[in-house]
Amino acid sequence: GAGVSQSPSNKVTEKGKDVELRCDPISGHTALYWYRQSLGQGLEFLIYFQGNSAPDKSGLPSDRFSAERTGGSVSTLTIQRTQQEDSAVYLCASSLDGAGEQFFGPGTRLTVL
Amino acid sequence: GQQLNQSPQSMFIQEGEDVSMNCTSSSIFNTWLWYKQDPGEGPVLLIALYKAGELTSNGRLTAQFGITRKDSFLNISASIPSDVGIYFCAGQRAGAGSYQLTFGKGTKLSVIP
Repeated sequence: GAGVSQSPSNKVTEKGKDVELRCDPISGHTALYWYRQSLGQGLEFLIYFQGNSAPDKSGLPSDRFSAERTGGSVSTLTIQRTQQEDSAVYLCASSLDGAGEQFFGPGTRLTVL
Repeated sequence: GQQLNQSPQSMFIQEGEDVSMNCTSSSIFNTWLWYKQDPGEGPVLLIALYKAGELTSNGRLTAQFGITRKDSFLNISASIPSDVGIYFCAGQRAGAGSYQLTFGKGTKLSVIP
């Protein structure tokens, strides 16, 4: 499978705990994106990586959210001290470059109890 | 953040009927995209529109880029059960920030056999 993969597919956590979500982009894609999809909503942009750097973090909703990308490949989205309003599907996408078609992974469904 | 106005929110149609959905925006986009999302999956690109007034078909799907660059519609002809899913429009700007897609809230399509 050469598509974008994400893990875990589902994550249930307790309020106040930290979580890490992982994204493996398509090999050779330099651009990587994280989106959040709340119930009944469209996709909300969180962060964009070009290579290992993140020129745009403007969509991160609070300082509890952070992301990194290493080796120009795998990315991790970390949410610290999770809150119930963080419950959503977190989608990762990658593209050949910053303007190309974005291919999405299946998402991680996060539930904060 | 900014979102596109997508309508209708949901549709129930009989198999074989045609479907139409649309998106409007208060600002101009240089590219309009239409995605479909199946349950438990990430969105998949159906059609991309690059020029104002452009009409593009992909099988039973037809989409148009509005002449003002502030709207787009998607038509599905002769619907079949596998058309069930959530359809999203997305707008993309040119130049700096072109990586960032702005999504509508989606149209949930149900097809009654």
